[in-house]
Formats: sequence, C-alpha cells, structure tokens
Amino acid sequence: NAGVMQNPRHLVRRRGQEARLRCSPMKGHSHVYWYRQLPEEGLKFMVYLQKENIIDESGMPKERFSAEFPKEGPSILRIQQVVRGDSAAYFCASSPGQGPPEAFFGQGTRLTVV
Amino acid sequence: AQSVTQLDSQVPVFEEAPVELRCNYSSSVSVYLFWYVQYPNQGLQLLLKYLSGSTLVKGINGFEAEFNKSQTSFHLRKPSVHISDTAEYFCAVSAGAGKSTFGDGTTLTVKP
Repeated sequence: NAGVMQNPRHLVRRRGQEARLRCSPMKGHSHVYWYRQLPEEGLKFMVYLQKENIIDESGMPKERFSAEFPKEGPSILRIQQVVRGDSAAYFCASSPGQGPPEAFFGQGTRLTVV
Repeated sequence: AQSVTQLDSQVPVFEEAPVELRCNYSSSVSVYLFWYVQYPNQGLQLLLKYLSGSTLVKGINGFEAEFNKSQTSFHLRKPSVHISDTAEYFCAVSAGAGKSTFGDGTTLTVKP
C-alpha cells in the first residue's frame, strides 16, 4: 500500500511563473490536507479537501493560491505568479475521513522561487 | 480554535541520557493529540497519538507521552536517546475531522 505521493519533490520557479504541486493520497483515503512549512517554522494549515469539494480553506492566501481534488486524479495545489516569499516546503496529508483524524503525510514538495 | 506551544525550540542532550520535549495546548473542545518526527528534507512521521483512554501513550522508537488534561500538556519522553533520534519534533492538536494545528517544533540534537 503506497503512502501519500507528492511530486515533484523539488520545484524551481522564476518570479511570476506558475507552480503546480501534486498529491496522490493513500489508497482508500478521500480527504486531503495541504500544509506549508516556511524555513525554521512549523506546519501551517492551508486547505482541506474531499473529492470535488473544498471543506476548509481558511489557511489559504486570498490571492494567487488555489487547490482542487477532482473526482479522478491527484489533488493539485496551484500557485500563480509566484514570489520569493512562496519559497517553502508544501506538505500534503491524507486520511480516510472516518474515525480519528490521523493523517498520513507525504514527503513534501520544496518550492524555490528565484 | 486550538493552539499549540512547544516550550523549547532546541534541546541538546548527550547520547543515552533521558529527554523530555514539552508541549502545551489550548482548546475549547476535546482534542486529539499527536507527536510527529521530521528528519532533514523528509516528511512527517507519526510517533504516537492520544485519542482517548489511557493517558500514557507509547509510540515508535521507544518514545512515550502523557496526556495531562488539567495542565493541558502532552509532553514527549524517551528514557535513553540515540544519535539517530536527532531530528525535528512537532506536537499537533486536532478537534476532529479536518485540520491539525502544529507547534513550531523542537530540534532535538543528540551528542556523542
């Protein structure tokens, strides 16, 4: 049973470009969470999605950031017109959605904006 | 809303010594509590979790934690650490389905 898969592991973008981060949850998991980790800081919640629904996006910046979890395929975190301050590690976690809220984390995507 | 405070940002300790990493939380509702470990350039690995029942929780790699509701604490302990325990440790709290709130982390450095 493969774990949570994130790709790419490392992503370099120039200022103004778009970044697309992908997350495939564990088999049987229908809930996905995205977190951002800035250098020397803890993880900050961004968004919680179920298939085709955004449940909680209270941690998402108001502009340039969007997330989706389509019926088929991975969850996508999209950052438009990236700026240097977007440089961070982005982690995805998944859970089955029933029972205790134990989430399993992927290895993360490390975004560097140059 | 929940919040988590990890009281020590860095904890240096010698190999085979005991260690305690402190975590306090605040919440207006009952919560679930977690400790994760993160090695350099890796994701988070669950060490242990408190969901209900016994307040002493045992996890992987010889770690354990005790839930203290009156003190709103969930401190992580290990009686004898190894060099390989050097990593970042995160305490997290969740009120149920949905997001978790993480502390800022404690860097454990085990010295020979």
